[in-house]
Amino acid sequence: NAGVMQNPRHLVRRRGQEARLRCSPMKGHSHVYWYRQLPEEGLKFMVYLQKENIIDESGMPKERFSAEFPKEGPSILRIQQVVRGDSAAYFCASSPMSDTQYFGPGTRLTVL
Amino acid sequence: QKEVEQDPGPLSVPEGAIVSLNCTYSNSAFQYFMWYRQYSRKGPELLMYTYSSGNKEDGRFTAQVDKSSKYISLFIRDSQPSDSATYLCAMTPAGGGGNKLTFGTGTQLKVEL
Repeated sequence: NAGVMQNPRHLVRRRGQEARLRCSPMKGHSHVYWYRQLPEEGLKFMVYLQKENIIDESGMPKERFSAEFPKEGPSILRIQQVVRGDSAAYFCASSPMSDTQYFGPGTRLTVL
Repeated sequence: QKEVEQDPGPLSVPEGAIVSLNCTYSNSAFQYFMWYRQYSRKGPELLMYTYSSGNKEDGRFTAQVDKSSKYISLFIRDSQPSDSATYLCAMTPAGGGGNKLTFGTGTQLKVEL
């Protein structure tokens, strides 16, 4: 049973470009969460999604960030017009109907 | 004040030592508690999950929760160099799924030969 998959593992963007981060949850998991980890900080919740629905986006920055989890395909975290402060590790987690969240390996975004 | 406080370390211990890692929290709504291990440049890996006050043991790991003091601990017995990692506590208000986790900043542990 494959774990949570994220790609790309590393992403380099120049300021002003768009970043798209993908997450495929574990088989049978219908809940997807995105977290951001800045250097020297813990993981911070960004958004919680189920298929075709955003359930809780209380941790998402108000501008430039969006997330989706379509009926088919992976969940996408999209960052438009990236700035240097967006450089971080972005982790996706999935869970079945429980609080046990399983994390992917992360995407490390570097903004030049 | 952060909702979850965790000493960042680094904590360095000799192989075979008992390690104690701790978190305190301020939000009494937190009812479910987890410990994750994160190796450098990897994703967090779930170690322990508990929701009641008291102790829960799994192999060399024991999770302890004291809700009255808002204090949780993870003990590692017979520590090994492979235990060297960052340990993150996490918590959430309620069960049933669909709840965001609030994390501590992590404690960096190094177990030396």
